[in-house]
Amino acid sequence: DAGVTQSPTHLIKTRGQHVTLRCSPISGHKSVSWYQQVLGQGPQFIFQYYEKEERGRGNFPDRFSARQFPNYSSELNVNALLLGDSALYLCASSLQQGAGGYTFGSGTRLTVV
Amino acid sequence: AQSVTQLGSHVSVSEGALVLLRCNYSSSVPPYLFWYVQYPNQGLQLLLKYTSAATLVKGINGFEAEFKKSETSFHLTKPSAHMSDAAEYFCAVSPVTGNQFYFGTGTSLTVIP
Repeated sequence: DAGVTQSPTHLIKTRGQHVTLRCSPISGHKSVSWYQQVLGQGPQFIFQYYEKEERGRGNFPDRFSARQFPNYSSELNVNALLLGDSALYLCASSLQQGAGGYTFGSGTRLTVV
Repeated sequence: AQSVTQLGSHVSVSEGALVLLRCNYSSSVPPYLFWYVQYPNQGLQLLLKYTSAATLVKGINGFEAEFKKSETSFHLTKPSAHMSDAAEYFCAVSPVTGNQFYFGTGTSLTVIP
């Protein structure tokens, strides 16, 4: 069975640009969460979606947005990129909304120059 | 608010020696607790989790952790370190009714031949 898949694996963007990161959950999983992991730190919660609705939002600016599609895949969008947005972005999926059973993808490494 | 403290950002052990990685949590009620491992340029892999069943939790690759409510701790141990255990380890907490993880800052484990 395929795990959580994220694309692209690596990305380089310029300050001020926009970026879209994609995540396909494990088949049957209806909940998707996004985390940002800055180098040398633990992951920080950005969003959680369940059944296509936003169910949780972390302490991130409005430049960050996300959505979940009818097939439960998800996109994370970041506008007006800053150097500080450089990080590994992790997607995690779960059957249900609770955090007890999340599986993480390998992440997208975003570098802002 | 939930938080996690991992004591020791870097731990070195000899191959075959005991591995002990420390984690303390802050929560008004006992949460769910997790240990994840991250290899270079990869996502997070679940080692084990505590979800209010047995206080001694056994995970993959010979790791185990004990939930101690009186000490608000969830330390990770392995009796005998292998070279393949060298990685970054993250402790995380989640409210029982919540939907997000709060991660510690991580402990980098080095195994010396």
